[in-house]
Amino acid sequence: AQSVTQPDIHITVSEGASLELRCNYSYGATPYLFWYVQSPGQGLQLLLKYFSGDTLVQGIKGFEAEFKRSQSSFNLRKPSVHWSDAAEYFCAVGPTGGGNKLTFGTGTQLKVEL
Amino acid sequence: GAVVSQHPSRVICKSGTSVKIECRSLDFQATTMFWYRQFPKQSLMLMATSNEGSKATYEQGVEKDKFLINHASLTLSTLTVTSAHPEDSSFYICSARDIAGGTSAGELFFGEGSRLTVL
Repeated sequence: AQSVTQPDIHITVSEGASLELRCNYSYGATPYLFWYVQSPGQGLQLLLKYFSGDTLVQGIKGFEAEFKRSQSSFNLRKPSVHWSDAAEYFCAVGPTGGGNKLTFGTGTQLKVEL
Repeated sequence: GAVVSQHPSRVICKSGTSVKIECRSLDFQATTMFWYRQFPKQSLMLMATSNEGSKATYEQGVEKDKFLINHASLTLSTLTVTSAHPEDSSFYICSARDIAGGTSAGELFFGEGSRLTVL
């Protein structure tokens, strides 16, 4: 069975500082990996996704993530955080062939200090 | 990107009543839509897969008679919470994938969610 672990429940960073959110997955085959962001009371917005090819994926809002098969990780990074980045971030894994049945991690709540 | 819209965004109802939540894909067609439930401070749990023109597929532990799903067209799926009770209070989110694929292939588009409160 597929699973996703986001070990950090809460992270606080200062505005302008760099950010890395961790995500580890368990999946029997080559996974499709996603990062979503959720603002309070809102749905999810896709930040980026990895299907194949270049293991460093660029997303929206200046985010990037790197797929490391050897570590079963797909960590999300941003070089300089903005106050508007404060939100809940979810890592998700889906089966090869499409994101139909996604399994989500428990999320990481990001707080940005001004 | 493609837009998925949910209505209502917030609903409060009395215990024992039924509530219908709509999920629409505004600028694309979706043969399959997905309904998730999110408890406070927790992740999303897939409840069911809504299939256009056929019965929905429910995840283990989800009561199909409690959560009625109808997918009458390629742009609309509805979730009806029947005989709602306070424990059904939650944030319900739908998602859909564009059947046309292209650059969005494999990407799920999420609605903005519906907050249900049962008194």
